[in-house]
Amino acid sequence: AQSVTQLDSQVPVFEEAPVELRCNYSSSVSVYLFWYVQYPNQGLQLLLKYLSGSTLVKGINGFEAEFNKSQTSFHLRKPSVHISDTAEYFCAVTDPNAGGTSYGKLTFGQGTILTVHP
Amino acid sequence: GAGVSQTPSNKVTEKGKYVELRCDPISGHTALYWYRQSLGQGPEFLIYFQGTGAADDSGLPNDRFFAVRPEGSVSTLKIQRTERGDSAVYLCASSLGSRETQYFGPGTRLLVL
Repeated sequence: AQSVTQLDSQVPVFEEAPVELRCNYSSSVSVYLFWYVQYPNQGLQLLLKYLSGSTLVKGINGFEAEFNKSQTSFHLRKPSVHISDTAEYFCAVTDPNAGGTSYGKLTFGQGTILTVHP
Repeated sequence: GAGVSQTPSNKVTEKGKYVELRCDPISGHTALYWYRQSLGQGPEFLIYFQGTGAADDSGLPNDRFFAVRPEGSVSTLKIQRTERGDSAVYLCASSLGSRETQYFGPGTRLLVL
């Protein structure tokens, strides 16, 4: 079974500073990887996803993530954060080679709360 | 357009009671998922519907939990004889197909006293 580890439960940063949120997943032959963001009192929103191709994936709101197969990581980065980026971020994985009924079953990490201070 | 909606947004019940949680997916989405998010944890998969049928219910914790999607649109998650450990946020997501992006609803926060 897949597993996802988000190494930091909370990340405080100052506005306009760069940020990296770390995500590692259990080894598998192949994976699809996702980052979701959850703003207070809102549902999960997809930030970006890696399915195949370029290992550097760009998402919404200036976020990007890099897939590193050898280190089984998919860290999320933003060069300059805003107050509005304060939210909880979840890394998730699915196995594209799972049977058709199991493909969409996402396995999530425990989440990282990003707090941006003025 | 309208996103995934869930009702109620909050539900407080007493131990042993029966509850129903409703999910309205995005129109036209054939795949529907239920997840449970306990405090301080990431969402955990419960069940996946493709159309009207439950294609994968391997995440349901026990037989007190049951879900239906009779017409391939709205889904209801049913919990019998609720326990305090069932307290969590129950999330619903839908997608065009099983290999498409999942769109999440705001969740139902269930508190069992």
